[in-house]
Amino acid sequence: DIQMTQSPSAMSASVGDRVTITCRASQGITKYLAWFQQKPGKVPKRLIYAASSLQSGVPSRFIGSGFGTEFTLTISSLQPEDFATYYCLQHNSYPLTFGGGTKVEIK
Amino acid sequence: QVQLVQSGAEVKKPGASVKVSCKASGYTFTAYNMHWVRQAPGQGLEWMGWINPNNGGTNFAQKFQGRVTMTSDTSISTAYMELSRLTSDDTAVYYCARVQAGGGYNLFDYWGQGTLVTVSS
Repeated sequence: DIQMTQSPSAMSASVGDRVTITCRASQGITKYLAWFQQKPGKVPKRLIYAASSLQSGVPSRFIGSGFGTEFTLTISSLQPEDFATYYCLQHNSYPLTFGGGTKVEIK
Repeated sequence: QVQLVQSGAEVKKPGASVKVSCKASGYTFTAYNMHWVRQAPGQGLEWMGWINPNNGGTNFAQKFQGRVTMTSDTSISTAYMELSRLTSDDTAVYYCARVQAGGGYNLFDYWGQGTLVTVSS
């Protein structure tokens, strides 16, 4: 199974901050990686697919990058509605595996 | 518009089974595989498996092998996930989510609203 190591597990940030979340795959997954945002009690929402493609309707401040084993999700300027938990997901091979999540909290 | 509508919350006793449904609309049901993901209270997302509604083919996470059944009824565009021999560790919100068949990058763009399954004696 491919392990997805996501870091940090939690972070505090202020509105306007640049935030970077990292996912590391235990083996190469080319660009079979997606990022999701989940708010408490809500359904996960896809932000990024194919490592760097922005989901339609998602603000351009969300930027995905990476290839192979190292991936990042950057929020260029954190907005109040961005406080949530973020997950990466690899779909290069089965079983699909999620990262452990990163909770972004208000500083 | 695409919608995945799941069945309502369930309370089950340990050892029982639960069957959750996921009714799709707004797209060609057989053009997408249906995956199931669960989330225990306060925990992360866990992939369970998928079904190809076109041919009934399935693929499950090893953790659930022998305990999970996934089926579909194309006549009513509905997928089902049944989990047996429930324990308290199975208490979670269960989601269905679609993935375009044939590979590629189009996955989990639409999710069901989630079904809370509580296992308690």
